Amino acid sequence: GNSVTQMEGPVTLSEEAFLTINCTYTATGYPSLFWYVQYPGEGLQLLLKATKADDKGSNKGFEATYRKETTSFHLEKGSVQVSDSAVYFCARSGGSYIPTFGRGTSLIVHP
Amino acid sequence: DTGVSQDPRHKITKRGQNVTFRCDPISEHNRLYWYRQTLGQGPEFLTYFQNEAQLEKSRLLSDRFSAERPKGSFSTLEIQRTEQGDSAMYLCASSLGRGANFFDTDTQYFGPGTRLTVL
Repeated sequence: GNSVTQMEGPVTLSEEAFLTINCTYTATGYPSLFWYVQYPGEGLQLLLKATKADDKGSNKGFEATYRKETTSFHLEKGSVQVSDSAVYFCARSGGSYIPTFGRGTSLIVHP
Repeated sequence: DTGVSQDPRHKITKRGQNVTFRCDPISEHNRLYWYRQTLGQGPEFLTYFQNEAQLEKSRLLSDRFSAERPKGSFSTLEIQRTEQGDSAMYLCASSLGRGANFFDTDTQYFGPGTRLTVL
């Protein structure tokens, strides 16, 4: 099975709402964890990353903390904007782990 | 920095034909990745180059697929005897790998992709 699991979308929110997109991974070692974002009509781009346990990645108001004990890397944002509407991909890589992506979670933010 | 470019952006072909895609990475990047993405799925790793050396190839990759990076710059991905199941978006990414690890934590920069439709 897939070694990166994301919550299914679409996630539909009103502007300024709190966002959480769950991501869990499987690994026996210590991979690095990533969130990529794909805006409509554009290619994937890195949103944030964390390279070791308890690290917090952050960018553009988004945050995610590498939780080794729960093998999770949930994406959060305190107040979403319409411009955050996109597809978000959680990914695992580093060391002997080939880059592995989740299925993506579509976020739709309404004004 | 002009970004990663891919050519063509779209390709429609008949089953059984061969197709070749090209990827031009960011000029100073030594690492190059190919992925396949189907609707509703995340990118699936196909293969990886460090400079001109192909270091890893997915076990899921059919022998009909081959990739090259002859001078450590651009790369080509060829699919022989295409099948309808090959229809997908083919993505290329590049990175500047600094670490000694096989797959480093370097940021990958993705191209816009080549959408393949096999009729």
